[in-house]
Amino acid sequence: LAKTTQPISMDSYEGQEVNITCSHNNIATNDYITWYQQFPSQGPRFIIQGYKTKVTNEVASLFIPADRKSSTLSLPRVSLSDTAVYYCLVGGSYTGGFKTIFGAGTRLFVKA
Amino acid sequence: DTAVSQTPKYLVTQMGNDKSIKCEQNLGHDTMYWYKQDSKKFLKIMFSYNNKELIINETVPNRFSPKSPDKAHLNLHINSLELGDSAVYFCASSQERTQILYEQYFGPGTRLTVT
Repeated sequence: LAKTTQPISMDSYEGQEVNITCSHNNIATNDYITWYQQFPSQGPRFIIQGYKTKVTNEVASLFIPADRKSSTLSLPRVSLSDTAVYYCLVGGSYTGGFKTIFGAGTRLFVKA
Repeated sequence: DTAVSQTPKYLVTQMGNDKSIKCEQNLGHDTMYWYKQDSKKFLKIMFSYNNKELIINETVPNRFSPKSPDKAHLNLHINSLELGDSAVYFCASSQERTQILYEQYFGPGTRLTVT
């Protein structure tokens, strides 16, 4: 299973775009890349998922280069409520079922 | 309506005791999971159940035993609790789709403290 590496923490200001990069050098053909958000005392919440190129939804964009060895979560115009831990997750379908590994997470702190 | 619920939310107990954590999902998903999040916030998968069958057991001590009476429930029973078992345990569910990584829905977590 591909291991992921993320920055431990990041600071930003309200209204700025935030980009969080995750490295997954050993990603397998079966693996998809998913990002989750976690607030204190809550379970992680799905943000976005992709396999290659760019994916965009109403809250974020996910950029995946052709070699898929990294991915970048982009949060446009962050607000104070975006302060949370963001997890990069790589996994897919393997014999016996789906398998995933959560990264250590990036703690994003948004300041006013 | 809560999609994935866990009980209890907090559990404080002494070493050597046996305890259970319950999880229920009302999303109609066919796969459920248990995760452990330690004090450093690392999230590690413990078990995964698909249609009431265990499909992943990530080298968890056999003191931990998941039980799934039906697709909507996955309970976690822990025997002979140890100090190192103190953590937040999350239940999650997803709808398995061939070749596509699933979106997991997590419960609110159960904070277990072993004294």
